[in-house]
Amino acid sequence: LAKTTQPISMDSYEGQEVNITCSHNNIATNDYITWYQQFPSQGPRFIIQGYKTKVTNEVASLFIPADRKSSTLSLPRVSLSDTAVYYCLVLFGGGATNKLIFGTGTLLAVQP
Amino acid sequence: DTEVTQTPKHLVMGMTNKKSLKCEQHMGHRAMYWYKQKAKKPPELMFVYSYEKLSINESVPSRFSPECPNSSLLNLHLHALQPEDSALYLCASSQGLPDPAPYEQYFGPGTRLTVT
Repeated sequence: LAKTTQPISMDSYEGQEVNITCSHNNIATNDYITWYQQFPSQGPRFIIQGYKTKVTNEVASLFIPADRKSSTLSLPRVSLSDTAVYYCLVLFGGGATNKLIFGTGTLLAVQP
Repeated sequence: DTEVTQTPKHLVMGMTNKKSLKCEQHMGHRAMYWYKQKAKKPPELMFVYSYEKLSINESVPSRFSPECPNSSLLNLHLHALQPEDSALYLCASSQGLPDPAPYEQYFGPGTRLTVT
């Protein structure tokens, strides 16, 4: 059964680096991992995507170890405006039988 | 324009009512999605349309009926809902279906539905 789990919440301070993990034990070789950010009363917003090793863009990095059973979203130097819920989204299966499964979500609270 | 719009923002309906949720995008995206999100829970995929044809139905009860009249519009028709169907209904669009990587999904702000 495809399933993704995340820590329920994390606390941080402005300027710190934050790492949020997502566990996806049943992931297959070609399944992709995507991360989204959601503010209250808004739809999720795309952050980053990858399926192996490391991906970096202007706002975050995504680390995926060789066994691919987990992934880590890294946010450098967070600010108050990064307080939000972060979801990993795993595309299980590929092709016509794709299963898009959101993780349980992590509420990140950034304090001054 | 990278916006997905949804109407109405809020909807209260009785269990015998018929109502519709609307979603619109003008990014030329060919895939559109409906998700249901309960409070403090992740979004759950309901339906996916690709090129205006239903591609995925995640075993959603027939009281939810999706419709994609053209490539820019997506509707969700509601009939005989139950109180447990109260949730935030999110619409999203993407360039296409995964090929093989999933395309970035652009989400609307959602419709907050309350069934009384």
